[in-house]
Amino acid sequence: AQKVTQAQTEISVVEKEDVTLDCVYETRDTTYYLFWYKQPPSGELVFLIRRNSFDEQNEISGRYSWNFQKSTSSFNFTITASQVVDSAVYFCALSEAGYSGAGSYQLTFGKGTKLSVIP
Amino acid sequence: DVKVTQSSRYLVKRTGEKVFLECVQDMDHENMFWYRQDPGLGLRLIYFSYDVKMKEKGDIPEGYSVSREKKERFSLILESASTNQTSMYLCASNPWGQGLAGELFFGEGSRLTVL
Repeated sequence: AQKVTQAQTEISVVEKEDVTLDCVYETRDTTYYLFWYKQPPSGELVFLIRRNSFDEQNEISGRYSWNFQKSTSSFNFTITASQVVDSAVYFCALSEAGYSGAGSYQLTFGKGTKLSVIP
Repeated sequence: DVKVTQSSRYLVKRTGEKVFLECVQDMDHENMFWYRQDPGLGLRLIYFSYDVKMKEKGDIPEGYSVSREKKERFSLILESASTNQTSMYLCASNPWGQGLAGELFFGEGSRLTVL
């Protein structure tokens, strides 16, 4: 069963528009972590945020904001006043307890959302 | 500044060749990871190492092996490359104690094409 769903495969917006990237996750654990990573055309994934399951406070970092709602199992990412430099593939990921041979946590990535910001 | 360097950005190999993908990090991290990225499949963990000479299988280890002789270097080996191993390979690292619950630092990736 898919544990991280990013239903939007591709999104195009015009520069300065706001855009929200959706992420829905599935887990039975009470302790887990959620992440967002950005992958620009250069290829290197860049960490954006990590949120633990006990902290439902929304977070804002400049033009970026994240909305974590346990009731809907969602961890959505909003970019305000988008810029061309925001064009990238964005990955949501879930880390939950469970032996996977790679330590005591298992990390599952969503399939990614490709964001294109048009000037 | 944190840096994970993958030696080859683009490689083209023939079926049956032995392929080495090298990854070096300069952050003194204990944990290192190899992921494979394919369109529509996201990132999948191939192997993980939490110390020199230590390795653990990830979700898709078949057809791959790894080597960690020094703390800063983690190599992915394709003993006999096949066309279904054509993919983007991403190396990552993070400090001891974080593992897959912590922030990962990624390299720029190595795009391998097997003909």
